[in-house]
Amino acid sequence: QKEVEQDPGPLSVPEGAIVSLNCTYSNSAFQYFMWYRQYSRKGPELLMYTYSSGNKEDGRFTAQVDKSSKYISLFIRDSQPSDSATYLCATIKGGSSNTGKLIFGQGTTLQVKP
Amino acid sequence: NAGVTQTPKFQVLKTGQSMTLQCAQDMNHNSMYWYRQDPGMGLRLIYYSASEGTTDKGEVPNGYNVSRLNKREFSLRLESAAPSQTSVYFCASSEGRRSYEQYFGPGTRLTVT
Repeated sequence: QKEVEQDPGPLSVPEGAIVSLNCTYSNSAFQYFMWYRQYSRKGPELLMYTYSSGNKEDGRFTAQVDKSSKYISLFIRDSQPSDSATYLCATIKGGSSNTGKLIFGQGTTLQVKP
Repeated sequence: NAGVTQTPKFQVLKTGQSMTLQCAQDMNHNSMYWYRQDPGMGLRLIYYSASEGTTDKGEVPNGYNVSRLNKREFSLRLESAAPSQTSVYFCASSEGRRSYEQYFGPGTRLTVT
């Protein structure tokens, strides 16, 4: 079983839709949860991170962690064609922010159609 | 600032050949990482270096060696390339205590025939 599981999609939505991207993880010791965005043929870039449970909002993006069900989500409101990319969830093995061993999900490819 | 740079951008090798992928960062980060990305597998950590002079294995280290040449540079070497090493390779760096925030290079697309 992979430590972080993510549906690879692809996911196609019309412009303006609310997008929900999800991951599950296996180890309750994980504390940091990140979402990286990767445009085609580019390196990933950090979009948001969350520590432990709860929500975090940044503009049109909301990250949510439910530790009881080991479920992490990223919501995109008013989606734009420029949001078309692959979204990777990740966590840190060992739980501490300085161990450096990131574990990534497989990535979900999102296409937002004008 | 250039951020994280990688060379080369593309490479084709024959089975058994060797090569070194170069990575440099100009953000004064202590930690550096090498990942590979394969379809359906996400990013997998090959090796990382928490600080100058230290390296440690990640999830998929077999067939690779690394050198942390100085604080700026971290190289990945394939001694005898195999078709299974065909992948996109990414280098990344971070502040030591903020390893959740990694900065990635543009990647090297490697094909082994």
